[in-house]
Amino acid sequence: DAKTTQPNSMESNEEEPVHLPCNHSTISGTDYIHWYRQLPSQGPEYVIHGLTSNVNNRMASLAIAEDRKSSTLILHRATLRDAAVYYCILSRDDKIIFGKGTRLHILP
Amino acid sequence: EAEVAQSPRYKITEKSQAVAFWCDPISGHATLYWYRQILGQGPELLVQFQDESVVDDSQLPKDRFSAERLKGVDSTLKIQPAELGDSAMYLCASSLVLIPNTGELFFGEGSRLTVL
Repeated sequence: DAKTTQPNSMESNEEEPVHLPCNHSTISGTDYIHWYRQLPSQGPEYVIHGLTSNVNNRMASLAIAEDRKSSTLILHRATLRDAAVYYCILSRDDKIIFGKGTRLHILP
Repeated sequence: EAEVAQSPRYKITEKSQAVAFWCDPISGHATLYWYRQILGQGPELLVQFQDESVVDDSQLPKDRFSAERLKGVDSTLKIQPAELGDSAMYLCASSLVLIPNTGELFFGEGSRLTVL
């Protein structure tokens, strides 16, 4: 399985931007980068995905390094509702395989 | 908004008993996934269906777990007999297309199993 590395946990203050890093040095040319998040007691929720170019949607932005060996999920203005586990995933062979993710704590 | 439906939401059983979980994906979604999530870990893929066919069940413990999607719509995951280590959240997800590279997975709220 394609491997990603994320920090176990991060903290951020409410109403400030959050940058969640992900390393994926073994990424192949056809692997997409996906981000999902899981709020307490809920199933995972799609956040964003991309291949090579940076992507923006209503939830977040995804910045992909030029060599594609790392990426950053950007929450532009964190709220308490953004406290969750964030998973960075490489989709390969038609599968979404989760790692341990980053637990994001938002401080009021 | 369309959702993936799962039941039961919670299940408590004794070891060696049989348990079953049901999932109804979003209408029109041909691909269905079952994941298992142990507390504190990320979800682990158990089985993937495309319509009624199994695409991948390499991580499904086939001595006690079975999954079916007979008409290519809803699906059932069964455990028989349940063991203490099966205590986990069982998550169902669906997607419109087989290849998740261009699509997203929609997850249900999960079925939490406790084996005593």
